[in-house]
Amino acid sequence: LAKTTQPISMDSYEGQEVNITCSHNNIATNDYITWYQQFPSQGPRFIIQGYKTKVTNEVASLFIPADRKSSTLSLPRVSLSDTAVYYCLVVRTGTASKLTFGTGTRLQVTL
Amino acid sequence: NAGVTQTPKFQVLKTGQSMTLQCAQDMNHNSMYWYRQDPGMGLRLIYYSASEGTTDKGEVPNGYNVSRLNKREFSLRLESAAPSQTSVYFCASSEYQNTEAFFGQGTRLTVV
Repeated sequence: LAKTTQPISMDSYEGQEVNITCSHNNIATNDYITWYQQFPSQGPRFIIQGYKTKVTNEVASLFIPADRKSSTLSLPRVSLSDTAVYYCLVVRTGTASKLTFGTGTRLQVTL
Repeated sequence: NAGVTQTPKFQVLKTGQSMTLQCAQDMNHNSMYWYRQDPGMGLRLIYYSASEGTTDKGEVPNGYNVSRLNKREFSLRLESAAPSQTSVYFCASSEYQNTEAFFGQGTRLTVV
């Protein structure tokens, strides 16, 4: 599976838009990009998944360029409660796939 | 809606003791996973089960064994606990490997 690289940490003020970019240069044709959010002392929670172009749900947007070698998770107007660790995963379809997490990006939102 | 249930929530073991962490899901999911998370670190996959009757090693399987008892239950066993196994253990399940995974609340294990 493609290795992912994302920033270790980011800081933001409340109300700003936050964009977290993930690099996955060796992504394969049958791979999807998936993002999870983890709060302290809790298990991760699924945020969004996409294959190409743009996906949007009530929580976030996911932008994937045509070459799919990177992706950007966009969180609109973050609040203090968005302080968490965000993980980018590459997930393969069709075969047994290990759901492998990296170190994630620690987002700190302040007033 | 229970989702993924892990037992126990907390456990303290002495070095060399054995124990089994239990995980059950009520979503009729095919795939189940066990992870460990050390303080300030990401999750590392210990073992996973793509479907009932199959199990495979993840990134850090040494010192652990698993059993996919049935479609609902996936247990993790420490045969001889070591201090290096002090961690928070998470169980997860998903319909398939590429679909949304749901996590349990975690088991905080301390080995002294």
